[in-house]
Amino acid sequence: GENVEQHPSTLSVQEGDSAVIKCTYSDSASNYFPWYKQELGKRPQLIIDIRSNVGEKKDQRIAVTLNKTAKHFSLHITETQPEDSAVYFCAASKNFGNEKLTFGTGTRLTIIP
Amino acid sequence: GAVVSQHPSWVICKSGTSVKIECRSLDFQATTMFWYRQFPKQSLMLMATSNEGSKATYEQGVEKDKFLINHASLTLSTLTVTSAHPEDSSFYICSARPDQNTEAFFGQGTRLTVV
Repeated sequence: GENVEQHPSTLSVQEGDSAVIKCTYSDSASNYFPWYKQELGKRPQLIIDIRSNVGEKKDQRIAVTLNKTAKHFSLHITETQPEDSAVYFCAASKNFGNEKLTFGTGTRLTIIP
Repeated sequence: GAVVSQHPSWVICKSGTSVKIECRSLDFQATTMFWYRQFPKQSLMLMATSNEGSKATYEQGVEKDKFLINHASLTLSTLTVTSAHPEDSSFYICSARPDQNTEAFFGQGTRLTVV
């Protein structure tokens, strides 16, 4: 089955700096890659996603890049703010339909004021 | 966005008892729902795929007789933890998609504590 690895497990950056979180996946058939933000005790919230037919997607301060050949994708957060502090999970699935998501191990991001 | 609601948000039960968790899609129909378990400071691990009108599909290592899933309608899936033990204490989260072209929405989760 699919295996998703995520690095780093913890990340601290100064407010205003950029943060990058990286994930690799094993199943070349995976073609949908969402990123979720989860605050303590709350549900995961989708912040951005990318499908395998594009290499990059940007939404304001958040961007995701995908390298299908290398089977890795990354989350980039620029101009970080204290409210960006949370746990971030990457995930992968085949087809965009009712296929299960396999999650990465998570990255605890701390923004230092 | 679409709303997925879970109930209860938290529950404490005694060892050996059973606990039922409900997952509802409030404004859409979901033929498929997913149940995840998340231990403290860990990732979401898929337990099973709940299919409306048919048997659930369980992930390897998940006991189907212990974690009973029923998806009797297009808006409700239930997870029953039978004969709960302290090691079953965890955060259980469900998710569903309104259709194949939209993101997965998560319930608010249920924190189960077995004492």
